[in-house]
Amino acid sequence: DIVLTQSPALAVSLGQRATISCRASQSVSISRYNLMHWYQQKPGQQPKLLIYRASNLASGIPARFSGSGSGTDFTLTINPVQADDIATYYCQQSRESPPTFGAGTKLELK
Amino acid sequence: QVQLQQSGAELVKPGSSVKMSCKASGYTFTSYYIYWIKQRPGQGLEWIGRIGPGSGDTNYNEKFKGKATFTVDKSSSTAYMQLSSLTPEDTAVYYCARSPLYSSYLDYWGQGVMVTVSS
Repeated sequence: DIVLTQSPALAVSLGQRATISCRASQSVSISRYNLMHWYQQKPGQQPKLLIYRASNLASGIPARFSGSGSGTDFTLTINPVQADDIATYYCQQSRESPPTFGAGTKLELK
Repeated sequence: QVQLQQSGAELVKPGSSVKMSCKASGYTFTSYYIYWIKQRPGQGLEWIGRIGPGSGDTNYNEKFKGKATFTVDKSSSTAYMQLSSLTPEDTAVYYCARSPLYSSYLDYWGQGVMVTVSS
């Protein structure tokens, strides 16, 4: 299985930029498709899709969220961070079955 | 609007089975996969498998073969997951989620079902 590694936590100040990384144990890109996706989960809620295929903003997601990366290294950026963005963020790959998730990065206020 | 409405929380005894539902609305049920995801308390997300409601084809994570069984009722746009031979390690929230065909990202999620396995 492809292992996705995320930092456990990131502390950020409101109004600043947050950069959350996800590293895959092998490439999750095929041709021009980067098969990495990002989700936000708040306590007691279901996850919500933010970014699909590395850089595509999901429907209804604010433009302060963006994604980048290819191969094995991917980044979710939130700029500027708002109070409502305090949550845990998960990456997920769909390059190989089974689809796997990172362990999540908890975004905290500094 | 797209909605996935899951059934209510379950308290079950070790060794028993549980069947939960995921009712879809607001889209063509047979045009998207339904995925099932496990999240143990305070833990991350784990893929159990998926079903194609149109074809009935299923794919299971090897880890959950023999544990989970997926079915659908197209007439009511409802997907089901049955978990068998339950142990305390099956205590978790179980989510259903929708995925566009050939894409494997999850664009809508149900609210989750909390299953507690305890004697």
